[in-house]
Amino acid sequence: AQTVTQSQPEMSVQEAETVTLSCTYDTSENNYYLFWYKQPPSRQMILVIRQEAYKQQNATENRFSVNFQKAAKSFSLKISDSQLGDTAMYFCAFMKGSTSGTYKYIFGTGTRLKVLA
Amino acid sequence: DVKVTQSSRYLVKRTGEKVFLECVQDMDHENMFWYRQDPGLGLRLIYFSYDVKMKEKGDIPEGYSVSREKKERFSLILESASTNQTSMYLCASRQTGGGVTTEAFFGQGTRLTVV
Repeated sequence: AQTVTQSQPEMSVQEAETVTLSCTYDTSENNYYLFWYKQPPSRQMILVIRQEAYKQQNATENRFSVNFQKAAKSFSLKISDSQLGDTAMYFCAFMKGSTSGTYKYIFGTGTRLKVLA
Repeated sequence: DVKVTQSSRYLVKRTGEKVFLECVQDMDHENMFWYRQDPGLGLRLIYFSYDVKMKEKGDIPEGYSVSREKKERFSLILESASTNQTSMYLCASRQTGGGVTTEAFFGQGTRLTVV
């Protein structure tokens, strides 16, 4: 069974600094997809970034980038120039197919990030 | 913008009551999902629906059922609420077209307390 592990329950970072959130996963599949979602205090889950496993290039979205290490099954999120609005719970997710052909997410337990002024 | 709307942000129910959590999406998405979010456990999939009247069990379906009579609406039903079902419930929807990287869109969650 696929699992997703986030080993850092809580982290904090000073405003304008860089922080890295870790995520490891376990799967026997070769083609899969990984995501980072953000859940601010408003509770609205928002997609931060996505990565296809067959792509060697790491995905980047403005201040957010990933370090995808397929052999190590590691998918960390780097936030550069941290802002107060980055304070949120961050979830790593793995997408898998089901018997019906529907794709569904498997989520990690989350990392609560607090950006300090 | 895609909008996923959950009928209540906060709900308090008594043990043994039948509880309905409603979710509506406005983008004609085929797939809809119900997750449960608990501290330290992340999001766990309860049920999902891949089309109208079609459903599939997730990882923790016990004590729950679902209904999808119309494409835009996906209901989660607690037949007889128990205190261990006190949790945050998140609904999501997703388009099947566009490939597997198509993102899911989430509602704002319903915090259910069973007393």
